[in-house]
Amino acid sequence: GESVGLHLPTLSVQEGDNSIINCAYSNSASDYFIWYKQESGKGPQFIIDIRSNMDKRQGQRVTVLLNKTVKHLSLQIAATQPGDSAVYFCAEPNNNQFYFGTGTSLTVIP
Amino acid sequence: GAGVSQSPSNKVTEKGKDVELRCDPISGHTALYWYRQSLGQGLEFLIYFQGNSAPDKSGLPSDRFSAERTGGSVSTLTIQRTQQEDSAVYLCASSSGRRAFFGQGTRLTVV
Repeated sequence: GESVGLHLPTLSVQEGDNSIINCAYSNSASDYFIWYKQESGKGPQFIIDIRSNMDKRQGQRVTVLLNKTVKHLSLQIAATQPGDSAVYFCAEPNNNQFYFGTGTSLTVIP
Repeated sequence: GAGVSQSPSNKVTEKGKDVELRCDPISGHTALYWYRQSLGQGLEFLIYFQGNSAPDKSGLPSDRFSAERTGGSVSTLTIQRTQQEDSAVYLCASSSGRRAFFGQGTRLTVV
């Protein structure tokens, strides 16, 4: 079946530093990925998506990089703020559902 | 509404009772998903509705779980004879394309 996974379950960064959250996937035919942010007690919130015909996509303070050769994508958060503390999931839609990684918990240290 | 709405936000029920969880998707979204998230865990797919097509129920963990979607809009997830292992956050999402938007979830506690 499909699978996406994350490299690190937890990540701590100093406020103002950049954060990098990684995700690997198994299906080389995967053509679309989404990053979600889930704050404590809330549902996942859409952050940014990327199609497989792109290597990079930028949003506000966030950048997603896609390396199809090694089936890896990453979410980069610039100038990390306390409000960025949350669990981050990569997700891939396929076969009537979204497959989610296990999530990386980001803690921002003031 | 502006987003996916779920109710109740919290539900405490006694073991063996039935519960109904409600989801109001974003207006116009044809696809609706239910997921379950246990404490500190990832998201577990339960069921998928798309328009008037037969739902994909492949993720439902047992026959105690059922869901319906009336008029292509509101959906209800029903858990019969609740067990303690059913305690989790139940999340609903809707989409009109490939982006899914989630509600805040219903936290179910079975005591």
